[in-house]
Amino acid sequence: DTEVTQTPKHLVMGMTNKKSLKCEQHMGHRAMYWYKQKAKKPPELMFVYSYEKLSINESVPSRFSPECPNSSLLNLHLHALQPEDSALYLCASSLGGEGGDEQFFGPGTRLTVL
Amino acid sequence: GNSVTQMEGPVTLSEEAFLTINCTYTATGYPSLFWYVQYPGEGLQLLLKATKADDKGSNKGFEATYRKETTSFHLEKGSVQVSDSAVYFCALSPFTGGGNKLTFGTGTQLKVEL
Repeated sequence: DTEVTQTPKHLVMGMTNKKSLKCEQHMGHRAMYWYKQKAKKPPELMFVYSYEKLSINESVPSRFSPECPNSSLLNLHLHALQPEDSALYLCASSLGGEGGDEQFFGPGTRLTVL
Repeated sequence: GNSVTQMEGPVTLSEEAFLTINCTYTATGYPSLFWYVQYPGEGLQLLLKATKADDKGSNKGFEATYRKETTSFHLEKGSVQVSDSAVYFCALSPFTGGGNKLTFGTGTQLKVEL
């Protein structure tokens, strides 16, 4: 299995809702990432988990809460989002958490906040 | 800091034309270099990579050579197809401590017409 899967594919939520995005990989990778991508822009790094520990938080607002239950799973919990948080949310994984490794991306979750 | 500069798009070509997308970078040390491709409505796919000077990455007819002397990693393809229409991102990942952070260029949209 050489892919990263993400669910759901699309999500529409109101500003008072709580929802979660899920990401899974079975490549034995020990680093996992969340990115946010706005239209016509490159992905922006949000969080990095390395060996199931949060290693990088790029000053993301607390309404985004990551969780790594095990080395294969990564969740992003969403609460009280704003319309400007509407974007494509991408998950990625890499062999380890050190520099130089290629990252493998999932297909993304298209999030719309009303 | 690290940075990646890509040529502005969109680039519009006729089918079977030669493609070059320029990419130059600034980084401390010798980073790994990548080209990712994003088809409409999808996540990013790793197209090719190079990890040291003079390495040539290649995949699906695309090639790029890691040029340390010019800090460049230009993407080329001898004969493009309509199916190559996508956004192409050049990226780097340094071999330094602090985690595996990808630095992306702004992306170049390629449109191939019949």
